[in-house]
Amino acid sequence: KQEVTQIPAALSVPEGENLVLNCSFTDSAIYNLQWFRQDPGKGLTSLLLIQSSQREQTSGRLNASLDKSSGRSTLYIAASQPGDSATYLCAVPTGGGNKLTFGTGTQLKVEL
Amino acid sequence: EAQVTQNPRYLITVTGKKLTVTCSQNMNHEYMSWYRQDPGLGLRQIYYSMNVEVTDKGDVPEGYKVSRKEKRNFPLILESPSPNQTSLYFCASSLRRPGLAGGDTQYFGPGTRLTVL
Repeated sequence: KQEVTQIPAALSVPEGENLVLNCSFTDSAIYNLQWFRQDPGKGLTSLLLIQSSQREQTSGRLNASLDKSSGRSTLYIAASQPGDSATYLCAVPTGGGNKLTFGTGTQLKVEL
Repeated sequence: EAQVTQNPRYLITVTGKKLTVTCSQNMNHEYMSWYRQDPGLGLRQIYYSMNVEVTDKGDVPEGYKVSRKEKRNFPLILESPSPNQTSLYFCASSLRRPGLAGGDTQYFGPGTRLTVL
């Protein structure tokens, strides 16, 4: 059974700092991995989708990497801003590809 | 604007009173799904649909029903709600199911916070 873990569970950084969020998965046979952002009391917003054939995907200040062999993905946020404060979730397809299994999440707070 | 909408956003009800949470997407997506989110348990799939008239159970389907009569709509029905169904519910959609090579971005609705007394 695929298990997805995110470390750290919570992170507080000063504005402007570069930071890395980690996602680990136990079954490396994945087709893709997706990073989401969730603001308190709101829905999930997709940030980046990395295909299994890709090593990296970039969008603005965000860069996600994928290492299937080691079962890891990282989300790099450059020059963090208070508006980046949210919970970040990674997810991989499971259940025969019919659903997403989500990680435990990292709650990020960027302070002024 | 491409979006997934859910209604209502907030609902307080009593045990046993049937309710429906609506979900609609405007992207002509084939795949739609319902999740619930609970503290300490994360997001868990309730039901999913691959296309019109094609639905199947997820991880926690007990106490829920769904239907997919039109491509854009995927309502979640609680025939006899109980307090253990108090949760935050999300509808999601994508062009195709998540586990395909060259997979597709999943779009989520804003959520429905349900409280069953």
